[in-house]
Amino acid sequence: GDSVTQMEGPVTLSEEAFLTINCTYTATGYPSLFWYVQYPGEGLQLLLKATKADDKGSNKGFEATYRKETTSFHLEKGSVQVSDSAVYFCALSDGGATNKLIFGTGTLLAVQP
Amino acid sequence: SAVISQKPSRDICQRGTSLTIQCQVDSQVTMMFWYRQQPGQSLTLIATANQGSEATYESGFVIDKFPISRPNLTFSTLTVSNMSPEDSSIYLCSVWTGDNSPLHFGNGTRLTVT
Repeated sequence: GDSVTQMEGPVTLSEEAFLTINCTYTATGYPSLFWYVQYPGEGLQLLLKATKADDKGSNKGFEATYRKETTSFHLEKGSVQVSDSAVYFCALSDGGATNKLIFGTGTLLAVQP
Repeated sequence: SAVISQKPSRDICQRGTSLTIQCQVDSQVTMMFWYRQQPGQSLTLIATANQGSEATYESGFVIDKFPISRPNLTFSTLTVSNMSPEDSSIYLCSVWTGDNSPLHFGNGTRLTVT
């Protein structure tokens, strides 16, 4: 079945460092891809999404490009801040009418001042 | 985007008891889902809450353990029955408003079973 494999954490960076969190997927159809973020003590928030190959999702300085040839959707940010410390989840939708999500295991990002 | 209110936000329960979690949305939504996030793990879909009919459960989850109601298009409940410490998790309600919208999530219910 469909699945998402995500880079294991925790990832610890200094402020203003470059961030990459790897995400690859396996899907039989043409899924939409998402990054969700979970700040400490809060629920999940959608960070960005891409619905077809070569689409680039972006928000709050984060970017991810839907790469069909490598089945990847890596999350990047050029300069992280302490406030970016959170757990990041890569996810895909099954492409059907139900729009159910399949999540990766999550990556904890800790940014130090 | 939909605003989701989930209650309670957290609870500590004794084994063998049951807890009902409520999810209220500020607008009518196409679909509602319940997810579980076990400690240190990712989210797993428990079931799709269907309005006016029985919920659709994912593999490994059964109605007797996780009965779900959805009496209308803005409200759903999830009950965790006959709880054991293994049920300690965060339970999240999510909604889909249709078309190209993403899933929106409530803040979750942090359940600890002692």
